[in-house]
Amino acid sequence: EAQVTQNPRYLITVTGKKLTVTCSQNMNHEYMSWYRQDPGLGLRQIYYSMNVEVTDKGDVPEGYKVSRKEKRNFPLILESPSPNQTSLYFCASSPLGQGDAKEQYFGPGTRLTVT
Amino acid sequence: AQTVTQSQPEMSVQEAETVTLSCTYDTSESDYYLFWYKQPPSRQMILVIRQEAYKQQNATENRFSVNFQKAAKSFSLKISDSQLGDAAMYFCAYRGNGGSQGNLIFGKGTKLSVKP
Repeated sequence: EAQVTQNPRYLITVTGKKLTVTCSQNMNHEYMSWYRQDPGLGLRQIYYSMNVEVTDKGDVPEGYKVSRKEKRNFPLILESPSPNQTSLYFCASSPLGQGDAKEQYFGPGTRLTVT
Repeated sequence: AQTVTQSQPEMSVQEAETVTLSCTYDTSESDYYLFWYKQPPSRQMILVIRQEAYKQQNATENRFSVNFQKAAKSFSLKISDSQLGDAAMYFCAYRGNGGSQGNLIFGKGTKLSVKP
């Protein structure tokens, strides 16, 4: 089954304790992205990757890191989480290239609480 | 920079009735794509419908259809014969076809309630 998986689905942590949220897709997509969703703000892009070893900042990259060492994986790293990073996080992937609209496939979301 | 605006934070519709959700966007690009995503209480993001800007014909998917007005930069979603399962957050999204062609820009969402 074609899917994007995220782990963990729920996480409660304390300020300053490094954490990683994993994201994996099995569709051989070039493009992957991380979003955070906050009430009243919609989804905002954190980082994205156009292919292996190619990453770039989105609209709200502060406090986050990413890496893309393999095509299927795109982990999100919070080196020193703070309470303002409490949010719902989504990973997404899509193919690239010209042609028909390429929808993004979303993971199930990770609910992160930083106390 | 492109922006997407959903002016209706909340909407309500009676079961079996029709409702229209509004979306406007701003862009200087001529080639782009527009999407409506549904987010039910499970929080999963589900693609409802997509529209390619170069296509004049409005997209339709069963009870869901769009009114795409390219000159006015408007992309509204019409839900016909509303069902209880349509209750969700709906997000309008824009994707350009330029350098960062994968990036989706979302509106802030419209919460749709369906009354039995």
